Amino acid sequence: GENVEQHPSTLSVQEGDSAVIKCTYSDSASNYFPWYKQELGKRPQLIIDIRSNVGEKKDQRIAVTLNKTAKHFSLHITETQPEDSAVYFCAASKAAGNKLTFGGGTRVLVKP
Amino acid sequence: EPEVTQTPSHQVTQMGQEVILRCVPISNHLYFYWYRQILGQKVEFLVSFYNNEISEKSEIFDDQFSVERPDGSNFTLKIRSTKLEDSAMYFCASRETGQVYKNIQYFGAGTRLSVL
Repeated sequence: GENVEQHPSTLSVQEGDSAVIKCTYSDSASNYFPWYKQELGKRPQLIIDIRSNVGEKKDQRIAVTLNKTAKHFSLHITETQPEDSAVYFCAASKAAGNKLTFGGGTRVLVKP
Repeated sequence: EPEVTQTPSHQVTQMGQEVILRCVPISNHLYFYWYRQILGQKVEFLVSFYNNEISEKSEIFDDQFSVERPDGSNFTLKIRSTKLEDSAMYFCASRETGQVYKNIQYFGAGTRLSVL
């Protein structure tokens, strides 16, 4: 089955700097890659997703890139702010409605 | 904004007891999921449910687990005889039906199950 690895497990950045989280997946049939943000005690919320027919997607300060050949995708957060502090999960699926296989999560701390 | 609601937020039970975790999916959603996260480990898929039947289940979802949609709003996960290793955060998720490639999964805040 699918396996998703996520790095780093923790990331500390200075406010205003960029943060990058990387994920690799094993199943070449996966074609949907969402990113969820989970603040302490709250629900995981989708922040951005990408499908395999696209190499990059951007939404304000957040961007995701996908390299299908290498089977990896990355989350980029620019101009980080304290409210970006949270745990971020990457996931992979064969379609948006099918089961998600998650990475291990990255705890991001943005220091003011 | 509509949300997936899970109750209780924390459930403590004795080993061997039955527990029922409850979820109220978003009202126009028809696909439902349960995931769990053991402390320090990845979020794992348990089961998906559509049209009153299981669509897919993982190897974790053995005979001790069952799911049910008892009425038009609730979606439940039952563990018949809890084990210590069932202690985890359990997440419910739901999505609309229709075009699979356009529908995302919305998650509840989770129920933390502690088996003593």
